[in-house]
Amino acid sequence: GQNIDQPTEMTATEGAIVQINCTYQTSGFNGLFWYQQHAGEAPTFLSYNVLDGLEEKGRFSSFLSRSKGYSYLLLKELQMKDSASYLCAVRDWVNSGTYKYIFGTGTRLKVLA
Amino acid sequence: EAGVAQSPRYKIIEKRQSVAFWCNPISGHATLYWYQQILGQGPKLLIQFQNNGVVDDSQLPKDRFSAERLKGVDSTLKIQPAKLEDSAVYLCASTLLGSHTEAFFGQGTRLTVV
Repeated sequence: GQNIDQPTEMTATEGAIVQINCTYQTSGFNGLFWYQQHAGEAPTFLSYNVLDGLEEKGRFSSFLSRSKGYSYLLLKELQMKDSASYLCAVRDWVNSGTYKYIFGTGTRLKVLA
Repeated sequence: EAGVAQSPRYKIIEKRQSVAFWCNPISGHATLYWYQQILGQGPKLLIQFQNNGVVDDSQLPKDRFSAERLKGVDSTLKIQPAKLEDSAVYLCASTLLGSHTEAFFGQGTRLTVV
């Protein structure tokens, strides 16, 4: 089966660092994505990992361990505007050239002044 | 490049009524997804099209939900009759066929069933 787990809520202080974890189980893993979603808005792409290791993109980094079925999103120098939900999504192979994106329930991050 | 377009943005209907949502994906994107996102939850895949064919509709409640993508471009999702538990945001997303890029989302349609 397919399963994606991430914490429901996290709270952090402006300027701090926060790590949001995601564990997954899928049958045809072909990449892990992190999306940011502000309340009432569509998810927007943050990062993508298909190989093990760390991908860095400005204040955001994402890590993947395929053998452990584990990823995390690291947010540095937190700003108030980072208050949002962070969705972990796995791309699962369906058939030749086709994939589906399976989402976790999302982690609501509150950044406090 | 224009993004994924969805309409309407908001819809309020009474239970047992019918409703339809429209999505126009990014030009050239062969794969189109409809997701249902209930408040406080992550998006749940309802149906996936590749061109005008259905790839996966295993989580679509087929007794009341239907979707089509007749010409392999825009798509319509319909609910008939609606239930209170259908209140959610319906998100449309698209990707290039075989692409290693992300899925691009539309703004969504927020449905309230009263």
